[in-house]
Amino acid sequence: DTAVSQTPKYLVTQMGNDKSIKCEQNLGHDTMYWYKQDSKKFLKIMFSYNNKELIINETVPNRFSPKSPDKAHLNLHINSLELGDSAVYFCASSQVRDGYGYTFGSGTRLTVV
Amino acid sequence: QQQVKQSPQSLIVQKGGISIINCAYENTAFDYFPWYQQFPGKGPALLIAIRPDVSEKKEGRFTISFNKSAKQFSLHIMDSQPGDSATYFCAAVYSGGYQKVTFGTGTKLQVIP
Repeated sequence: DTAVSQTPKYLVTQMGNDKSIKCEQNLGHDTMYWYKQDSKKFLKIMFSYNNKELIINETVPNRFSPKSPDKAHLNLHINSLELGDSAVYFCASSQVRDGYGYTFGSGTRLTVV
Repeated sequence: QQQVKQSPQSLIVQKGGISIINCAYENTAFDYFPWYQQFPGKGPALLIAIRPDVSEKKEGRFTISFNKSAKQFSLHIMDSQPGDSATYFCAAVYSGGYQKVTFGTGTKLQVIP
């Protein structure tokens, strides 16, 4: 069983479209995250939810909106996609304060054309 | 603000050699320092981690050396193998809050036969 699963793995879409990425974790963790990895491999946190509550909301365009229906799911919806949104988006989860670090999904490669 | 500086950006090592990646941090509140390994097309995976009350931690061929006074830590990969070729990220965590992880910029390691 995949611990943190993201769908889709690849997403190619035109500028101006709206798209969603889904994430699910079966580890029983209480915290989930969205990270953006750019072409230089830099990992930048976007959002974090702890037990469905938004706890980290970095400087991200408001075209990006996370939603956590329950603590095992964290989705990312992106409106009016722009060329600069092209990147790999990673979902991750952790159990806060257990010191065991993050478990990442395998990523969603978003290409905006 | 880049709170965790990582070097080198890329590294080529011969099989059997020692790979060394260095990181420096600024915030003395960080209390957990993990390293992540990322293979192409995969998400980062936790490799090894250390807390600042320990100066060294070894797991197999991977060793973290930690210098609290200098606010530096490094990853040593002994007897490097072609299968170790990946991108490595150091990170620093303040676990007093919601365990927000600050990542270094990554080091692309290539181990040549």
